[in-house]
Amino acid sequence: EIVMTQSPATLSVSPGERATLSCRASQSVSSNLAWYQQKPGQAPRLLIYGASTRATGIPARFSGSGSGTEFTLTISSLQSEDFAVYYCQQYNNWPLWTFGQGTKVEIK
Amino acid sequence: EVQLVQSGAEVKKPGESLKISCKGSGYSFTSYWIGWVRQMPGKGLEWMGIIYPGDSDTRYSPSFQGQVTISADKSISTAYLQWSSLKASDTAMYYCARHGSGSYALYWGQGTLVTVSS
Repeated sequence: EIVMTQSPATLSVSPGERATLSCRASQSVSSNLAWYQQKPGQAPRLLIYGASTRATGIPARFSGSGSGTEFTLTISSLQSEDFAVYYCQQYNNWPLWTFGQGTKVEIK
Repeated sequence: EVQLVQSGAEVKKPGESLKISCKGSGYSFTSYWIGWVRQMPGKGLEWMGIIYPGDSDTRYSPSFQGQVTISADKSISTAYLQWSSLKASDTAMYYCARHGSGSYALYWGQGTLVTVSS
């Protein structure tokens, strides 16, 4: 099983600042990596797939990078609506999806 | 517009059976895999298994194999997740999610909260 490890567990950021979230895979997942955002009481929402492709309707302040085992989600200038929990997910080892444990982005 | 609409919240007792549903619309139901994801209270996302409604090919996470059954009825564009004997530890929010063009979860249902308590 591929293990996905996200860091940090919690990230405290002021509005307007940049946030950088990390995700590491226990073995290479190529570029088969997605990022999701989940707000309290809501279903997850796809942000990024293929490690770096924004899903339809996702603002340009969200960007993804990386390949192999190291990935990053960057939010260039945090807006109030961006405070949420973010999960990475590998889908290289299909059909066995694996999610990271999540990073909570909170207001500093 | 693609939609996945899940059945409503359930409150059950340990040992009871349950089947929750996920109805797809706005796309060809038989052409995309649908997965189920568990989220226990205050915890992260866990992939349970996946089904291809076109031929009912079903795969399970090793963690959930034998614990749940995933099925689909393509005549009514609905996928199901069922338990034969619930435990308190099955208390969670359950989401269905459909693949995009790749094997990521592009569309999500709104979730079904299952509470198991004596």
